[in-house]
Amino acid sequence: GAGVSQTPSNKVTEKGKYVELRCDPISGHTALYWYRQSLGQGPEFLIYFQGTGAADDSGLPNDRFFAVRPEGSVSTLKIQRTERGDSAVYLCASSSGTGVEEAFFGQGTRLTVV
Amino acid sequence: GEDVEQSLFLSVREGDSSVINCTYTDSSSTYLYWYKQEPGAGLQLLTYIFSNMDMKQDQRLTVLLNKKDKHLSLRIADTQTGDSAIYFCAVTFSGGYNKLIFGAGTRLAVHP
Repeated sequence: GAGVSQTPSNKVTEKGKYVELRCDPISGHTALYWYRQSLGQGPEFLIYFQGTGAADDSGLPNDRFFAVRPEGSVSTLKIQRTERGDSAVYLCASSSGTGVEEAFFGQGTRLTVV
Repeated sequence: GEDVEQSLFLSVREGDSSVINCTYTDSSSTYLYWYKQEPGAGLQLLTYIFSNMDMKQDQRLTVLLNKKDKHLSLRIADTQTGDSAIYFCAVTFSGGYNKLIFGAGTRLAVHP
């Protein structure tokens, strides 16, 4: 596609529920990143995929968070047993290679846990 | 761990220059970036500088890097109302991929 696409754009869920957030990167981009941006803060790194594998998941806050990228393109961020503190904008970015080429960000998914 | 700090707010008059400052802690940072975020929009890369450079100019934007003081600044010449946004400083490490560490952002308000 023309840019990084994230769906849904908004998600409201009840505390304790399970949610999935989807990221469709720019076609051909092998690197994919997830970030989380809380209100009034800068984005915070969660996980980096190179192809299908998670090369760096050091930013995932706890074992309720998990991400997959089974075919090396679309990625899904999964959050189990959501908590109100998980409310944030979840951003996805992709870039073309293994270096520090420009990372293109999607518009984000605003997750609200009530 | 790495920390990136920015002042939270800057107000300037239209036509004046804006200077947004950023400090970081990790001297191994290899690439330093400035991103712009407008309401309801995604993050837009404005410019970046390699750690072996002191200055980079790109049209109205000038980036200055002082590695000794771990200080990065973004100067916007002839600031316009369309420049009103949140500006994020971000740095990466020598790991060779875009694990970006962001500051909290500086909100730039441009008034007539």
